[in-house]
Amino acid sequence: DAGITQSPRYKITETGRQVTLMCHQTWSHSYMFWYRQDLGHGLRLIYYSAAADITDKGEVPDGYVVSRSKTENFPLTLESATRSQTSVYFCASYSGTGNYGYTFGSGTRLTVV
Amino acid sequence: AQSVTQLGSHVSVSEGALVLLRCNYSSSVPPYLFWYVQYPNQGLQLLLKYTTGATLVKGINGFEAEFKKSETSFHLTKPSAHMSDAAEYFCAVSSPFGAGSYQLTFGKGTKLSVIP
Repeated sequence: DAGITQSPRYKITETGRQVTLMCHQTWSHSYMFWYRQDLGHGLRLIYYSAAADITDKGEVPDGYVVSRSKTENFPLTLESATRSQTSVYFCASYSGTGNYGYTFGSGTRLTVV
Repeated sequence: AQSVTQLGSHVSVSEGALVLLRCNYSSSVPPYLFWYVQYPNQGLQLLLKYTTGATLVKGINGFEAEFKKSETSFHLTKPSAHMSDAAEYFCAVSSPFGAGSYQLTFGKGTKLSVIP
């Protein structure tokens, strides 16, 4: 199906473990983004990518790693999860031209215990 | 740097009443402005956007917003609230980066409750 897909939808992990959140889009959009959503903070940008093999930090990048070897995939890795990384994570994509709208995935709710 | 302030983290209205969600922004360049809606356990959906041209923008589900440069505002309105409008609403402002593209900065959101 066309669209932007995040997996898993829900994840519980232990402190110190590595966890990877997946994001896949079918439009070949140039830009992809990772946000975290926390009560009282709205959405904050973690990392973004302008194209394959081009990534850059957002507002809150510490503790996260991203890669983008293929245009359609943009995984987010927490190398050593901490409780402060308990959050809802959203992936988004944007073509880079025209419509100006971001399209969001359905989110991954991550709990670090 | 761009920023967005949404006045009121929680707004309650009666069904059939006017919905008014407030958004003020700061931007060092002519902004693009957006409203997104988030229903429970879902991602964000674009409601409407202002880029250039007409300052009164109409979106989906009967919502509209007016860009007022002098007031640096982009308030969201709907004449008559429906129960299905209960959701969280986010205002966002763009900041440009690279070749005409842009990055969004979001406000903290306003949760709208509709009372029967």
